[in-house]
Amino acid sequence: GAGVSQSPRYKVAKRGQDVALRCDPISGHVSLFWYQQALGQGPEFLTYFQNEAQLDKSGLPSDRFFAERPEGSVSTLKIQRTQQEDSAVYLCASSLAYSLQETQYFGPGTRLLVL
Amino acid sequence: SQQGEEDPQALSIQEGENATMNCSYKTSINNLQWYRQNSGRGLVHLILIRSNEREKHSGRLRVTLDTSKKSSSLLITASRAADTASYFCATAHNQAGTALIFGKGTTLSVSS
Repeated sequence: GAGVSQSPRYKVAKRGQDVALRCDPISGHVSLFWYQQALGQGPEFLTYFQNEAQLDKSGLPSDRFFAERPEGSVSTLKIQRTQQEDSAVYLCASSLAYSLQETQYFGPGTRLLVL
Repeated sequence: SQQGEEDPQALSIQEGENATMNCSYKTSINNLQWYRQNSGRGLVHLILIRSNEREKHSGRLRVTLDTSKKSSSLLITASRAADTASYFCATAHNQAGTALIFGKGTTLSVSS
């Protein structure tokens, strides 16, 4: 079966450009997470959706970051006016239900490089 | 900010040897999970241990949890070259919602 997919896999942006990163979770998964992983570090939480509701966005680093999941399936993470410090791998994960015990299944990530 | 600290940061062993990685965390947890990440790829879930469990096995993996010391260890027995990857512990907290809090990871290199 299909896992979590993300596109694009790689994105090079000029500083100041807007970017949009897409995540297709596993079909039927209620919960969707975005994480940011800097080089040599572990992933850091950005935001969480339960269906279409964004229940936690405490990890978004600035108001330039915006995420949506309008129909409760595909999600888009948008970064406006990109800065060099936004360069990182952006990981999406989904899980079947809301539960701390649920396994999160990760996509391959989008590697963003801001020049 | 990141919760956990893995130790060591890097580990190099020969095929067939055992690899042990440790993870420490700071606040009380609901469960602790270990993930593997191959170079340039996403994270793969390996094992979850609940806060009321002390040890868990899955194939060649053995995980222990000591909540009094706020630490966990991951043992990979009879390692293979294919085990070469970065390994992360991640903690889930009742108070912190549903997000996993990851450590910085241990990079394991297994040479044949």
